Amino acid sequence: KNQVEQSPQSLIILEGKNCTLQCNYTVSPFSNLRWYKQDTGRGPVSLTIMTFSENTKSNGRYTATLDADTKQSSLHITASQLSDSASYICVVRGTGANNLFFGTGTRLTVIP
Amino acid sequence: NAGVTQTPKFQVLKTGQSMTLQCAQDMNHNSMYWYRQDPGMGLRLIYYSASEGTTDKGEVPNGYNVSRLNKREFSLRLESAAPSQTSVYFCASSEGAGGNYGYTFGSGTRLTVV
Repeated sequence: KNQVEQSPQSLIILEGKNCTLQCNYTVSPFSNLRWYKQDTGRGPVSLTIMTFSENTKSNGRYTATLDADTKQSSLHITASQLSDSASYICVVRGTGANNLFFGTGTRLTVIP
Repeated sequence: NAGVTQTPKFQVLKTGQSMTLQCAQDMNHNSMYWYRQDPGMGLRLIYYSASEGTTDKGEVPNGYNVSRLNKREFSLRLESAAPSQTSVYFCASSEGAGGNYGYTFGSGTRLTVV
């Protein structure tokens, strides 16, 4: 069964600290993996998209890694800011049209 | 720079009532989608339109209908609302239906059916 699992479910960190969010998936065959940020009451916003051949991609203070062999990805946030408080959703695309599998997200809270 | 616009933002319906959720994008994208988001679950695809003039069922289509009115607009209709349809609904669009195209999401419609 194609699944995307994220951990932890929620995380609280102090402003300025780093954190790493995890994503494990069983989607096969695999096309690409995406990380989205979803602020409360808003729609998801894309952070990164990685294909099979990419093992790291950065977007400012966000760095995503992908190990397609172990089917694991992580999202590392450096020097967190209060505005990083949001849910982070891992999404894996299989092959075929509209074959997206969504994780349930990690809820990150950054406190001063 | 509107992106994907959804209306309304909030709606309360009584069981059995009908309503249409509107979605419009200004990015000249070919593909559009309707998702629902429920607590503790990932987004689930209701219907999608790979291109103007086509629509297809997603994972959870029962109780919904869609219309791709033109390239810009994709509406979602609930003919007879049920409490199980209480959810947050997101419309999204992408340049194409497959591959590495990114999705742009609207801000969502929070629907409560009582």
